[in-house]
Amino acid sequence: EADIYQTPRYLVIGTGKKITLECSQTMGHDKMYWYQQDPGMELHLIHYSYGVNSTEKGDLSSESTVSRIRTEHFPLTLESARPSHTSQYLCASSRGYEQYFGPGTRLTVT
Amino acid sequence: GESVGLHLPTLSVQEGDNSIINCAYSNSASDYFIWYKQESGKGPQFIIDIRSNMDKRQGQRVTVLLNKTVKHLSLQIAATQPGDSAVYFCAAREGSNYKLTFGKGTLLTVNP
Repeated sequence: EADIYQTPRYLVIGTGKKITLECSQTMGHDKMYWYQQDPGMELHLIHYSYGVNSTEKGDLSSESTVSRIRTEHFPLTLESARPSHTSQYLCASSRGYEQYFGPGTRLTVT
Repeated sequence: GESVGLHLPTLSVQEGDNSIINCAYSNSASDYFIWYKQESGKGPQFIIDIRSNMDKRQGQRVTVLLNKTVKHLSLQIAATQPGDSAVYFCAAREGSNYKLTFGKGTLLTVNP
């Protein structure tokens, strides 16, 4: 069982609100990732980090931002939530190629 | 760029049968492949991986086969159980970095 945690698990929020999705891992992995996944669909990489103070945008354009101030923590922020942001957000970490996933945050923007 | 896809979106099998889930990839430079299982409401879980210098790798009840000639890999699950019901994704590593590109997923349903 991978030690990677995401909070909240579910979030319903109104349009225009600022939100931060938390992701933490206790495995000491240097690489961390954020994916967006719609129900029954593939995972799309939106952000990744290969170490502290290093972040990159992924293959899917996203209005969210990330930060990596500590190795174990990789939060994702949406400054102004919109209904189009409704989705599941999955965080992962890795030391090598195998990525370990958290349980996900299901976000609904009304 | 990388494109990873699955041949069948759904697969229904009887308990005890063997299951085969297929995946095609387009980038011949892909050198690492991984299968994940995702149960409802959970994040993907690692099943098995394989590097491009191998054709076959076996785990507990699972086997991954890689055919680099036709850019195809498959996941075989022996004696499928109801607990195997989930969505299965294949993913491939791009180039020289650690990013994975995921396919669309196959929903496996095991009937008792």
